[in-house]
Amino acid sequence: QKEVEQDPGPLSVPEGAIVSLNCTYSNSAFQYFMWYRQYSRKGPELLMYTYSSGNKEDGRFTAQVDKSSKYISLFIRDSQPSDSATYLCAMWGRDDKIIFGKGTRLHILP
Amino acid sequence: EPEVTQTPSHQVTQMGQEVILRCVPISNHLYFYWYRQILGQKVEFLVSFYNNEISEKSEIFDDQFSVERPDGSNFTLKIRSTKLEDSAMYFCASSPRTDGSPLHFGNGTRLTVT
Repeated sequence: QKEVEQDPGPLSVPEGAIVSLNCTYSNSAFQYFMWYRQYSRKGPELLMYTYSSGNKEDGRFTAQVDKSSKYISLFIRDSQPSDSATYLCAMWGRDDKIIFGKGTRLHILP
Repeated sequence: EPEVTQTPSHQVTQMGQEVILRCVPISNHLYFYWYRQILGQKVEFLVSFYNNEISEKSEIFDDQFSVERPDGSNFTLKIRSTKLEDSAMYFCASSPRTDGSPLHFGNGTRLTVT
């Protein structure tokens, strides 16, 4: 079983819709959870960072962590064409590295 | 906002040649990383570096790879004898701490080995 599973998509939604992106993980040692956004030919850009189970909101973005189910989500409200990108979940355990999911390609249709 | 900068943005080299990829991490960060992303695949950990030594490395980071912090600002990745399969985007990242702080990434160097 892979450490971090993420559906690669592509996921296409109309502008203004709510987007739901998800990752599952197998390693219960993961304690810190991140969502990065990556535009084509650019580096990953940090969007959200959470530690505990529950919700964290920042503008149109909400990150949700359920450690008991080993499941994390990112919700994007009022999606915009500029949100079209690849979204990477990432997790950090007790060793000195972050593990990434494969990324979900998101297309927001005008 | 401070950022991680990488040079060059694109490097083309012939198989068997040595390449050095350069990074300037954020100035007050202490932990440095290289990650690799082969086209269409996930971002993969290569190596982490702290206090002038490697703290962790992946199976990918074999004897052909080395890292160095030659001065107070640069952090380099050297590939001694490039192979075709080394073609990828290489991302440098830095972090102020290693207690789960998120990494800040540069925009990468696209390495093409011909």
